Amino acid sequence: DAGVTQSPTHLIKTRGQQVTLRCSPISGHKSVSWYQQVLGQGPQFIFQYYEKEERGRGNFPDRFSARQFPNYSSELNVNALLLGDSALYLCASSLVGKNIQYFGAGTRLSVL
Amino acid sequence: AQSVTQLGSHVSVSEGALVLLRCNYSSSVPPYLFWYVQYPNQGLQLLLKYTSAATLVKGINGFEAEFKKSETSFHLTKPSAHMSDAAEYFCAVIPNSGGYQKVTFGTGTKLQVIP
Repeated sequence: DAGVTQSPTHLIKTRGQQVTLRCSPISGHKSVSWYQQVLGQGPQFIFQYYEKEERGRGNFPDRFSARQFPNYSSELNVNALLLGDSALYLCASSLVGKNIQYFGAGTRLSVL
Repeated sequence: AQSVTQLGSHVSVSEGALVLLRCNYSSSVPPYLFWYVQYPNQGLQLLLKYTSAATLVKGINGFEAEFKKSETSFHLTKPSAHMSDAAEYFCAVIPNSGGYQKVTFGTGTKLQVIP
């Protein structure tokens, strides 16, 4: 079975632009979470979605938004990019109500 | 709020030596605890988890961790380090209180294995 897949793997943007990152969960997993990992730090929780609704949100500005589709895939959108948004963005999926999350390889975003 | 503290951002061991990576959590109720490993330019891979069953948890690649409530610790060990163990290790916690599954990660420990 395929694991969590994320696209693209790498992305270069300039300040002020907008970006969309995509995530496909493991088959059967209906919960998707997003994390930001700045170089040298642990991942920071951004959002959790299941059943297409936002179930949790971390301490991130409104420039960050996400959605989940009927097939349980998800997109993370970041508007008005700042240099500080440069990071590895990780998606994780899990079975609803289960506490083990499985991570994708991430999307490396560089903001110039 | 839940938090985890990993002591030592960098740990070096010789090949074949004991690996000990430290993790302490802060919570009034024992949470669910995890260790993840991250190889360069890769995502996170689950090593092992504690979910209130056995206090000694065995994971993949010969790693194990022991949950000690009295010390609020969940240290990761491996009896004999291998070169392939060189990676960054993250301790993580999910509150055992229902609700959404926000995972809180520690700051990570980079393990260097010296030949």
